[in-house]
Amino acid sequence: NAGVTQTPKFRVLKTGQSMTLLCAQDMNHEYMYWYRQDPGMGLRLIHYSVGEGTTAKGEVPDGYNVSRLKKQNFLLGLESAAPSQTSVYFCASSYSLYFFGGLAKNIQYFGAGTRLSVL
Amino acid sequence: AQTVTQSQPEMSVQEAETVTLSCTYDTSESDYYLFWYKQPPSRQMILVIRQEAYKQQNATENRFSVNFQKAAKSFSLKISDSQLGDAAMYFCAYRSANRDDKIIFGKGTRLHILP
Repeated sequence: NAGVTQTPKFRVLKTGQSMTLLCAQDMNHEYMYWYRQDPGMGLRLIHYSVGEGTTAKGEVPDGYNVSRLKKQNFLLGLESAAPSQTSVYFCASSYSLYFFGGLAKNIQYFGAGTRLSVL
Repeated sequence: AQTVTQSQPEMSVQEAETVTLSCTYDTSESDYYLFWYKQPPSRQMILVIRQEAYKQQNATENRFSVNFQKAAKSFSLKISDSQLGDAAMYFCAYRSANRDDKIIFGKGTRLHILP
């Protein structure tokens, strides 16, 4: 039972380079999310997806793009990395559900994180 | 917009003692969920406990319990019989009960366990 898997675990980039972070979940979840975690800032939502083929902006979307071509995968792209994007990135997934249904499934499952440094 | 505030950046507790982590939130919604997540040095986020806002009874999971005060918008986490393995960052989080279930996190509290 893999849950949510993120690759890579670590990456170092130079300013201006591009890269893609991959998130894969095997729980058939509808919703997927990308967060960044910075010291003293908690977790901030970058982008999220409510289903295959859909994406939406979160709290801090600038400088990132995402794609959800397959239900189980959610990709986070940095087209031109900047030092301000040095952070730990977390992917998460959850079931989509309504308030009065499926409460037992109402949690987010997180990946182990990706530490990205931009020099 | 909803906000989550954790006013204690760091706390320490003696092993086997009890510690309470504070969390307050702000929302105009009546239906929502609250969570406490633990983030150990391994960096993975682990769900510790959750509370449905419509429930008056406080959630409990083994040594972890919450004090949910809906009117005061307070959601504190109590850890009893603290163990060395409890040392971690703890995040309080809020999620609306509507279909758009983005989760909002506080800035975290780093908990140290003193042997």
